[in-house]
Amino acid sequence: EAQVTQNPRYLITVTGKKLTVTCSQNMNHEYMSWYRQDPGLGLRQIYYSMNVEVTDKGDVPEGYKVSRKEKRNFPLILESPSPNQTSLYFCASRGGPLTGELFFGEGSRLTVL
Amino acid sequence: SQQGEEDPQALSIQEGENATMNCSYKTSINNLQWYRQNSGRGLVHLILIRSNEREKHSGRLRVTLDTSKKSSSLLITASRAADTASYFCATDENTGKLIFGQGTTLQVKP
Repeated sequence: EAQVTQNPRYLITVTGKKLTVTCSQNMNHEYMSWYRQDPGLGLRQIYYSMNVEVTDKGDVPEGYKVSRKEKRNFPLILESPSPNQTSLYFCASRGGPLTGELFFGEGSRLTVL
Repeated sequence: SQQGEEDPQALSIQEGENATMNCSYKTSINNLQWYRQNSGRGLVHLILIRSNEREKHSGRLRVTLDTSKKSSSLLITASRAADTASYFCATDENTGKLIFGQGTTLQVKP
């Protein structure tokens, strides 16, 4: 089954404790992206990747890092989480940088205390 | 930066009625897409309309695009309780970025 898988789905952590949210897709997609969703603000793009080893900042990259060492994986790293990073995070992928629909993961709800 | 702005923010209708949601955007686009999100779940793609298309249908969905006004609308006909969800437009610029609006929350009452 074609899917985008995120882990963990739920996480409560404390300020400053590094964490990684993993994202994996099994559709051989070139393009992957991370979004955060907050009430009243819609979805905002954090980082995206056009292909392996190519990443670029979205609209709200501060406090986040990403890497794209292999095509299927695109982890989101919070080096020193802060309470304002409490949010619902979505990973998404699509076939190419300029083509078609995005396929979304089920989301990771992160709470930073 | 938010590209798409949706209107209304919330919509409540009775089952069987039609629901119309509008999206306005600011810059030139390659295509415009509509997504649906059930509460707290991942977004699901509904329909894509290219910049050279004016109207597109998919089942009970009808999407229009007016590039001169930089606006799009999503019409759901004969709505069902199961259509209750949030709906987002997303503009696909030729940069590889897909930018989402804030969404319209639709409630369909049985």
